[in-house]
Amino acid sequence: GAVVSQHPSWVICKSGTSVKIECRSLDFQATTMFWYRQFPKQSLMLMATSNEGSKATYEQGVEKDKFLINHASLTLSTLTVTSAHPEDSSFYICSARRGLYNQPQHFGDGTRLSIL
Amino acid sequence: GNSVTQMEGPVTLSEEAFLTINCTYTATGYPSLFWYVQYPGEGLQLLLKATKADDKGSNKGFEATYRKETTSFHLEKGSVQVSDSAVYFCALSDPGSSNTGKLIFGQGTTLQVKP
Repeated sequence: GAVVSQHPSWVICKSGTSVKIECRSLDFQATTMFWYRQFPKQSLMLMATSNEGSKATYEQGVEKDKFLINHASLTLSTLTVTSAHPEDSSFYICSARRGLYNQPQHFGDGTRLSIL
Repeated sequence: GNSVTQMEGPVTLSEEAFLTINCTYTATGYPSLFWYVQYPGEGLQLLLKATKADDKGSNKGFEATYRKETTSFHLEKGSVQVSDSAVYFCALSDPGSSNTGKLIFGQGTTLQVKP
């Protein structure tokens, strides 16, 4: 149980386009979803936390107009990278959690984003 | 503030060797502790967890005990396999002021197991 699906797994696009990444919890309702960014050989950097039906809480230094997060239902959150540029190229990972802080987060397989 | 410190890698072992990856934490409250594993090109998988002091998490031969007195959550396995080669992350979940329970990760430790 506790499967999180992230799509697409890999995307290449031109500079200036917007890219949407989906994160779905397949077999549980996620009260909270998280979006991370990971640079090569580094740990995960939390970008934002979102609860269903409310606005996402962004970490310091993360541009909310650049990285739009929508948590439309208890099983779906989306991250849209708007007007993407080469410096936005990275590995983006989502996670979902059922319940409170003492419950584990379950991670998607990540999305490799390459902006040309 | 809250933080997690892991031993530096990479850790290189021969198959069937004993594994220890050290993890210590700093927290103001009563965090839950987790170990996650990341295989190349993939997301993170939960390996084990412990939610209170003296709890022992275990899974697939891996174990870690939540030690409040030493603020540690070291990962151990008695006999590693080549398939255990991956990056291991220690993490804590802090209730925080808003109870969002953000995960705070250590820097990750790369394990390489050679046949």
